[in-house]
Amino acid sequence: GENVEQHPSTLSVQEGDSAVIKCTYSDSASNYFPWYKQELGKGPQLIIDIRSNVGEKKDQRIAVTLNKTAKHFSLHITETQPEDSAVYFCAASRATGGGNKLTFGTGTQLKVEL
Amino acid sequence: KAGVTQTPRYLIKTRGQQVTLSCSPISGHRSVSWYQQTPGQGLQFLFEYFSETQRNKGNFPGRFSGRQFSNSRSEMNVSTLELGDSALYLCASSLGARGILKDTQYFGPGTRLTVL
Repeated sequence: GENVEQHPSTLSVQEGDSAVIKCTYSDSASNYFPWYKQELGKGPQLIIDIRSNVGEKKDQRIAVTLNKTAKHFSLHITETQPEDSAVYFCAASRATGGGNKLTFGTGTQLKVEL
Repeated sequence: KAGVTQTPRYLIKTRGQQVTLSCSPISGHRSVSWYQQTPGQGLQFLFEYFSETQRNKGNFPGRFSGRQFSNSRSEMNVSTLELGDSALYLCASSLGARGILKDTQYFGPGTRLTVL
């Protein structure tokens, strides 16, 4: 089955700096890669996603890049703010063919310091 | 539009008991997936229901089961509870239709289960 590795497990940055979280996946058939943000006491919230036919996607301060050949994808957050502090999860799945089964990475605790 | 709701939010049970958790998906969503979240194992897929049928299943023992009703609401049951079943159980809903390019899953707040 699919295996997703995520690094780093913790990340501390100064407000205004950029943060980068990296994930690798094992199943070459995976074609959908969402990123979720989970705040304390809440369920994961989708922040951005990318499909395998796209190499990069950007939404304001958040961007995701995908390298299909190397089977890795990354989350980039620019101009970090204290409210970006949370746990971030990457995930992979086969989006077509029916059925949902997200395989998650182990999470990155991001702390944005003032 | 209301989000995914889960009840109860917190639950305390003892070993050997059974428990039923409930999930109401976003209106119009027909797929409901369940995940277990623990500090040690992270987020793990349990199963997915679509149109009252189990469509996908993760690697959990048969003590974990679920069902879906005609209104898409879903329940998850765990029998003969073990200490290791203590976790946050998350439900996610999506449109679920086959062949669509991106079937975004939206998560509920979860049910925190503690087994004593």
